[in-house]
Amino acid sequence: QQQVKQSPQSLIVQKGGISIINCAYENTAFDYFPWYQQFPGKGPALLIAIRPDVSEKKEGRFTISFNKSAKQFSLHIMDSQPGDSATYFCAARVSGTSYGKLTFGQGTILTVHP
Amino acid sequence: DSGVTQTPKHLITATGQRVTLRCSPRSGDLSVYWYQQSLDQGLQFLIQYYNGEERAKGNILERFSAQQFPDLHSELNLSSLELGDSALYFCASSGANEQFFGPGTRLTVL
Repeated sequence: QQQVKQSPQSLIVQKGGISIINCAYENTAFDYFPWYQQFPGKGPALLIAIRPDVSEKKEGRFTISFNKSAKQFSLHIMDSQPGDSATYFCAARVSGTSYGKLTFGQGTILTVHP
Repeated sequence: DSGVTQTPKHLITATGQRVTLRCSPRSGDLSVYWYQQSLDQGLQFLIQYYNGEERAKGNILERFSAQQFPDLHSELNLSSLELGDSALYFCASSGANEQFFGPGTRLTVL
């Protein structure tokens, strides 16, 4: 049973545009929501993370928006650059398990055209 | 560089064989996680160890096993390999909240 649904599967954006990737979850026990960026041949790299007690977190060009009532969260990449072209994964972790496993979305392949 | 190391980077073997994947966590991290990444299943959690003890199990096949040693490095053992076991295998380690992933081992079963 997939507990984190991610969309779209692929996304093409022009340089300077805004990339938006959405995730929805079912398990209300999730309390930690990270985003990972993965380049071909590399391991996933932690990009930014949020907890449900805040509605938005921004780090540079990357912003997470969180809607607890809708059980949805999204990644916004402002001023997208060709170097941002990668696969992005959202993930979630259950409350009370500080060292717990991550449940991942299926991933979004982002292509930023110059 | 996440600080998590994995060896080997690539592994090519035949069906029915057994292989061992090795992971060294970041300095000071007590938790080690193993994930499998395939095209059809995405990133799937396999197993977690914390300070030498198994903490959680995911969709790990009975043919697969893991352990974490006193120096905190971990090994994932895959036996009776099948074509469908071909995938990327990642190790991650964590101290508090964040999990940091290694570069992975690409396993190809022929």
